[in-house]
Amino acid sequence: AQSVTQPDIHITVSEGASLELRCNYSYGATPYLFWYVQSPGQGLQLLLKYFSGDTLVQGIKGFEAEFKRSQSSFNLRKPSVHWSDAAEYFCAVALSGYSTLTFGKGTMLLVSP
Amino acid sequence: DAGITQSPRHKVTETGTPVTLRCHQTENHRYMYWYRQDPGHGLRLIHYSYGVKDTDKGEVSDGYSVSRSKTEDFLLTLESATSSQTSVYFCATYGTSGGSTDTQYFGPGTRLTVL
Repeated sequence: AQSVTQPDIHITVSEGASLELRCNYSYGATPYLFWYVQSPGQGLQLLLKYFSGDTLVQGIKGFEAEFKRSQSSFNLRKPSVHWSDAAEYFCAVALSGYSTLTFGKGTMLLVSP
Repeated sequence: DAGITQSPRHKVTETGTPVTLRCHQTENHRYMYWYRQDPGHGLRLIHYSYGVKDTDKGEVSDGYSVSRSKTEDFLLTLESATSSQTSVYFCATYGTSGGSTDTQYFGPGTRLTVL
């Protein structure tokens, strides 16, 4: 069965600093890969997704992620973090676009002034 | 956000009572899903539907049942609620919305507390 590991439960970043959130997956084939963000008390919003093609994917809110097959990773990055980015971030995988999602346990991002 | 609404948004109930959560979508999406979110576990799939009257179990389906009698509604039922079912429940649909490409869209969630 597929699994997703987000090794960092919490990360604190200074406002304006760069950000990288890690995601590793275990899967028999190249899965569909997703990053979602959840603000407190809210639902999940899709930041970006990777199905195929260019391994560097651009998303909303200035986020990007890079798929590295050799490392089974799909890390999320942002060059300059804003206070409004404080939220919980979830990496997820699926067999296809409509398949059920398997989520990591999430990384809580705290932004310090 | 794919026009997904969930009701109720908050519910407190007692152990042993039946509870039904409703997910309603306006996008005519074929696929619908129920997940639960618990601290330290992320989101886990309970049940999903791939069409009217077509449903299947997910990772944590014990104690839950679902029904889908029409495209727009997907009901999640806890036949006899237990404290371990205290959680936040999210409905999702898969499809195209607002010009975006096919993806899973999530509802706002229902916070259920079982006393």
